[in-house]
Amino acid sequence: QKEVEQNSGPLSVPEGAIASLNCTYSDRGSQSFFWYRQYSGKSPELIMFIYSNGDKEDGRFTAQLNKASQYVSLLIRDSQPSDSATYLCAFQSGGSYIPTFGRGTSLIVHP
Amino acid sequence: SQTIHQWPATLVQPVGSPLSLECTVEGTSNPNLYWYRQAAGRGLQLLFYSVGIGQISSEVPQNLSASRPQDRQFILSSKKLLLSDSGFYLCAWTKGARDQPQHFGDGTRLSIL
Repeated sequence: QKEVEQNSGPLSVPEGAIASLNCTYSDRGSQSFFWYRQYSGKSPELIMFIYSNGDKEDGRFTAQLNKASQYVSLLIRDSQPSDSATYLCAFQSGGSYIPTFGRGTSLIVHP
Repeated sequence: SQTIHQWPATLVQPVGSPLSLECTVEGTSNPNLYWYRQAAGRGLQLLFYSVGIGQISSEVPQNLSASRPQDRQFILSSKKLLLSDSGFYLCAWTKGARDQPQHFGDGTRLSIL
């Protein structure tokens, strides 16, 4: 059974701080890792994907992947109230069409 | 650029009635297509996926079915809705290769009375 573990939160951070969201996964064959943002009542939207160990930066977002420890994280720098949403992580085994999604972490950025 | 259209946005149906939700993708060819359901406060549940016309894989046995009559069209159906079918239905596409990120439509919020 492939599983993804995320703390459901809510994670509350002040505006301007760094928000750190974490995700662990069970399948050592996982090759592709994704972060999605879902605003309340809306559909998920892709924020970042990462395939290799290390860091990948895109604007205020940094994804960090550590395959040996089986975790992936998302850092949001200079958090804004508009970042308040649920963040879903997902992974796919190598060569798979099917992602496994976590249940998401609720992030609240307060002014 | 690629876009995905999903309709209707909201739907209220009585128990036992039929269902048809449609999803189309523009700007790409040979996409992989997916139907998910998200119950209130729950995670995403994959219902069906398709890697080509007429090819449907079911992940969860239930009273729903899916069809892919055209390359960029994916339809979710039911002959008789149950109360438990309520939820937020999402269509998604990926490029026609493995290990690709999902791109979601705006979703259909289905309420069963």
